[in-house]
Amino acid sequence: GAGVSQSPSNKVTEKGKDVELRCDPISGHTALYWYRQSLGQGLEFLIYFQGNSAPDKSGLPSDRFSAERTGGSVSTLTIQRTQQEDSAVYLCASSLDGQGALGYTFGSGTRLTVV
Amino acid sequence: AQSVTQPDIHITVSEGASLELRCNYSYGATPYLFWYVQSPGQGLQLLLKYFSGDTLVQGIKGFEAEFKRSQSSFNLRKPSVHWSDAAEYFCAVGATGGYNKLIFGAGTRLAVHP
Repeated sequence: GAGVSQSPSNKVTEKGKDVELRCDPISGHTALYWYRQSLGQGLEFLIYFQGNSAPDKSGLPSDRFSAERTGGSVSTLTIQRTQQEDSAVYLCASSLDGQGALGYTFGSGTRLTVV
Repeated sequence: AQSVTQPDIHITVSEGASLELRCNYSYGATPYLFWYVQSPGQGLQLLLKYFSGDTLVQGIKGFEAEFKRSQSSFNLRKPSVHWSDAAEYFCAVGATGGYNKLIFGAGTRLAVHP
């Protein structure tokens, strides 16, 4: 597509439920990134996929968080047993090259609210 | 480890006034440097980037930034601010070589008074 598409745009869930957030990157972009933006905070790196390489999961805050990227395209970020502190905007970005040197293209994000 | 500091959380300027948003980074070599803008309810948009060469970089929407190695800074400037520039601005640093995840600052929220 023309841009990075994320769905849903908003998600309200009850504490303890699992959620799945989806990211559809720009076609042909080999690198895909997930970031989290909490209220009043900067962007916190979560996970990075580059081609067929093993993902960099160093930013995932706990084992409740996981992500996969199928066929080198669409990615799903899963949060299990959601907690209130998981409430944030989850941003996905893709880039043409693995170095991010060309800059990222960001999606509009998924606003997650855990009640 | 890389880090980015944006000392100003919130800045207010009058329309037509000049603007400078500060960014300091920590990285052991020459970094890749970026400025992104996030308008309300929008994703982040790339304003400009620095890799090497000319230390004064021109971007979109009339913005420019200057890389100063001696000060580890990459400040964003605009000579005359428009009301539509009200947004949140993020500075980011990436490592050269290999793959690259960007580290973002906490952001500076810009308000523009008419």
